[in-house]
Amino acid sequence: QVQLVESGGGLVKPGGSLRLSCTASGFTFSDYFMSWIRQAPGEGLDWIAYISTTSSYTNYADSVKGRFTISRDNAKNSLYLQMNSLRVEDTAIYYCARDQTSSVGLDYWGQGTLVAVSS
Amino acid sequence: ESVLTQSPATLSLSPGERATLSCRASQNINNYLAWYQQKPGQAPRLLIYDASDRATGIPDRFSGSGSGTDFTLTISSLEPEDSAVYYCQQRSIRLGETFGPGTKLEIK
Repeated sequence: QVQLVESGGGLVKPGGSLRLSCTASGFTFSDYFMSWIRQAPGEGLDWIAYISTTSSYTNYADSVKGRFTISRDNAKNSLYLQMNSLRVEDTAIYYCARDQTSSVGLDYWGQGTLVAVSS
Repeated sequence: ESVLTQSPATLSLSPGERATLSCRASQNINNYLAWYQQKPGQAPRLLIYDASDRATGIPDRFSGSGSGTDFTLTISSLEPEDSAVYYCQQRSIRLGETFGPGTKLEIK
């Protein structure tokens, strides 16, 4: 069965960095675009970035452009999010999700990892 | 670029009733729309993709319709477990995958 497991969250000070990982299993990882989405406490869903199958194309939300970098390692079935210059407003649960690519919809999600930015 | 709005913000209905949730795009997005259900403490679950196609394992009481700028998620006969927040989502070249603000559905 399809599984996505995020890791790497934690408490970090403003201006700090963190790297999130998402390990995929149960499907051919290299066949799918992948996305990161976050959700601040009590708030709605906020898409952050996606990456194409071969990493040739990436796209970011304006709120994280220039600070966050999405990447993947198809040999390790892994997706990453490097987060730099973190702000208090980046505090959220971060989810990775599989993108159906040829259709609009994120069909499998991980359970999320919490990132807290606080001094 | 298109922005999504959802209405109503909150909906309170009884089991067995029909729920109609609306999602409106500020520009034509064809059928590039998905719907999700999120329960407290859980990740979102894909219900509908490409505006009207049910995702794997989704009960047939959930249906999606619409194209262009106006979309609807209908739950034909509410069950207590349908209590959740429902989000619509679009894909655009510049904005990526953007979500609407959500509709909270309460089952009385």
